[in-house]
Amino acid sequence: AQTVTQSQPEMSVQEAETVTLSCTYDTSESNYYLFWYKQPPSRQMILVIRQEAYKQQNATENRFSVNFQKAAKSFSLKISDSQLGDTAMYFCAFDGSGTSYGKLTFGQGTILTVHP
Amino acid sequence: ETGVTQTPRHLVMGMTNKKSLKCEQHLGHNAMYWYKQSAKKPLELMFVYSLEERVENNSVPSRFSPECPNSSHLFLHLHTLQPEDSALYLCASSQAKRGVSSETQYFGPGTRLLVL
Repeated sequence: AQTVTQSQPEMSVQEAETVTLSCTYDTSESNYYLFWYKQPPSRQMILVIRQEAYKQQNATENRFSVNFQKAAKSFSLKISDSQLGDTAMYFCAFDGSGTSYGKLTFGQGTILTVHP
Repeated sequence: ETGVTQTPRHLVMGMTNKKSLKCEQHLGHNAMYWYKQSAKKPLELMFVYSLEERVENNSVPSRFSPECPNSSHLFLHLHTLQPEDSALYLCASSQAKRGVSSETQYFGPGTRLLVL
């Protein structure tokens, strides 16, 4: 069974600074997908960034980027120039099911607070 | 309405009640999901419907009964629930595709359920 571990229950950062959230996973699959989702206090979960395991290049989306280390089974999220609106619970998720519809396994989440 | 909507947003019910949660997606997707989010636990996948067929049932107790009448609507019928079923119930949708693929799941805002 796949597992996803987020070892940082809570983190905080000053506005405009950079923060990195950690995620590790365990799988025997060679082809899979990794995601970071954000859940603000309003509760709507939204996708931040995704990475296909067969792509060596790290995914980036504006201020968000990942450090994908396949051999180490690590998938960290870096948020640059942090903004107050980045305050949320961040979930790392994994899909190695190989199904056409996808099956996500989530980590426990990291609460990120951005301070002014 | 856009995206994925859920009603009601909040629900309080007794253990002998019968209620239903509703989810509607306006994205033209063909796969829909129910997740349970409990405090201090990772999101748990409950059910998956792909092309209106139930394709996943993750050992969910029979007091939870899903229904997917068409690709845009998903229900979760609740009866004789227990207090430990109190949680945030999230609905999601995605576009299922053939082959090894994992399309992004789009989430609704959730229904906060309290069982007394």
